Amino acid sequence: AQSVAQPEDQVNVAEGNPLTVKCTYSVSGNPYLFWYVQYPNRGLQFLLKYITGDNLVKGSYGFEAEFNKSQTSFHLKKPSALVSDSALYFCAVRDIWSSNTGKLIFGQGTTLQVKP
Amino acid sequence: NAGVTQTPKFRVLKTGQSMTLLCAQDMNHEYMYWYRQDPGMGLRLIHYSVGEGTTAKGEVPDGYNVSRLKKQNFLLGLESAAPSQTSVYFCASSLLAGAPYEQYFGPGTRLTVT
Repeated sequence: AQSVAQPEDQVNVAEGNPLTVKCTYSVSGNPYLFWYVQYPNRGLQFLLKYITGDNLVKGSYGFEAEFNKSQTSFHLKKPSALVSDSALYFCAVRDIWSSNTGKLIFGQGTTLQVKP
Repeated sequence: NAGVTQTPKFRVLKTGQSMTLLCAQDMNHEYMYWYRQDPGMGLRLIHYSVGEGTTAKGEVPDGYNVSRLKKQNFLLGLESAAPSQTSVYFCASSLLAGAPYEQYFGPGTRLTVT
């Protein structure tokens, strides 16, 4: 079965430090992977995606993610965290068995807390 | 360009009551989706539509119905609300289904069923 796992419910970092939010996936074939961010009482906002090509993907607000096929991971990273990055982050993979519908399979979400 | 909008933003229902959530998008997207978000469970797909006049079941469709009479609108109905349907509901749309198209989300509707 296809799945996405975010092994950490919460990640705490100090402002200015690098941050990593982890995501692993389980799909057959080539995955299409996405990161979304959700600020309190808001909808999800698209951050970045991996479709093919360079394993390091750059996205909005200084975030980037590294696709690692051998480890089936797609970790979200940022070199220097800001307090305003505090939010709920979701990793998602395109459902390849329903590729004509665009359905996404979401992880459980990771709360990022950046402290001043 | 408003993107994806949802009405209402909040609603409280009593068990057994019915209601309709409206989703509208002004991006001329073909695909639209309804998700529910519950703590610790991520987002789960309720129903989706691949074009005007079409609907299909997602992961958790029971207790919900949908309609897409116009390309820009996607309605989610609860015929007889139950406390288990207390959740935050998100609508999303996508230009097309294939890569590299991402989904765009609305601000959500917080529904409480007592």
